[in-house]
Amino acid sequence: SAVISQKPSRDICQRGTSLTIQCQVDSQVTMMFWYRQQPGQSLTLIATANQGSEATYESGFVIDKFPISRPNLTFSTLTVSNMSPEDSSIYLCSVRKGDTEAFFGQGTRLTVV
Amino acid sequence: AQSVAQPEDQVNVAEGNPLTVKCTYSVSGNPYLFWYVQYPNRGLQFLLKYITGDNLVKGSYGFEAEFNKSQTSFHLKKPSALVSDSALYFCAVIKAAGNKLTFGGGTRVLVKP
Repeated sequence: SAVISQKPSRDICQRGTSLTIQCQVDSQVTMMFWYRQQPGQSLTLIATANQGSEATYESGFVIDKFPISRPNLTFSTLTVSNMSPEDSSIYLCSVRKGDTEAFFGQGTRLTVV
Repeated sequence: AQSVAQPEDQVNVAEGNPLTVKCTYSVSGNPYLFWYVQYPNRGLQFLLKYITGDNLVKGSYGFEAEFNKSQTSFHLKKPSALVSDSALYFCAVIKAAGNKLTFGGGTRVLVKP
C-alpha cells in the first residue's frame, strides 16, 4: 500500500493567482498522477508526473496552466496557474505500484473567487 | 482507447436489501478492473480489483464484484446494504501493463434506513 499526504486540503484563491499543491508519498513510486474532480463528478486525468523528465499531459491540459514538478520518487507538486473560477475543483494526487491498484490522496478542494 | 460506463447516476436501496452498482467497460486486451468508494469530502478508497483468476472477487466492507468477460461487465454487489454504504462509487479500468486509469462517471448510492 501507499500513504499519500496532500496539502493544502482546501484553499480559497483570488482569480489570476496561482496555487501549488503538494503530494508526498511514504514510499518510492515510479508513477504519480494528478486528477481533477468536479464535486460529485468523475475524475479526469490531468497528467502523469515522471521522475527526471517532463510530465505527460492529457488532451485538454497544458504545461503552462498546470506545471508539474517531480524532483524525486516520493514527491510531486501541481501548480494551478492564473486561476479562474472555472478551475474550482478538487485536485487529487494518485500513485500506483506495479500492477496494484492506485492509491489516492485526500484531495485539495480549490475555490477560485 | 479504454472507457468505462456506469449507467446509473444514483441507486436507492433500503437498508438490509441487496445492493448492485453496474459497470461495463471497453478496453483492448485484458483489463484490470477496480472499484473505489468516495465518502463526502474524502479521497477515493480502494474496494476491490480484478486482475486475473477467479471471476468473483471479494473486497473491503463486504463488497464483491463479478467479472464477466462476455458481457464486459464488472458489477459491484453487497448482499445486505448499510446506511453507512451511502457514498459515491467509481468503477475504473486499466489495460494490462498500461498505466492510465480510466474512471466511470460514478454512481451515487443512497441507503435508506
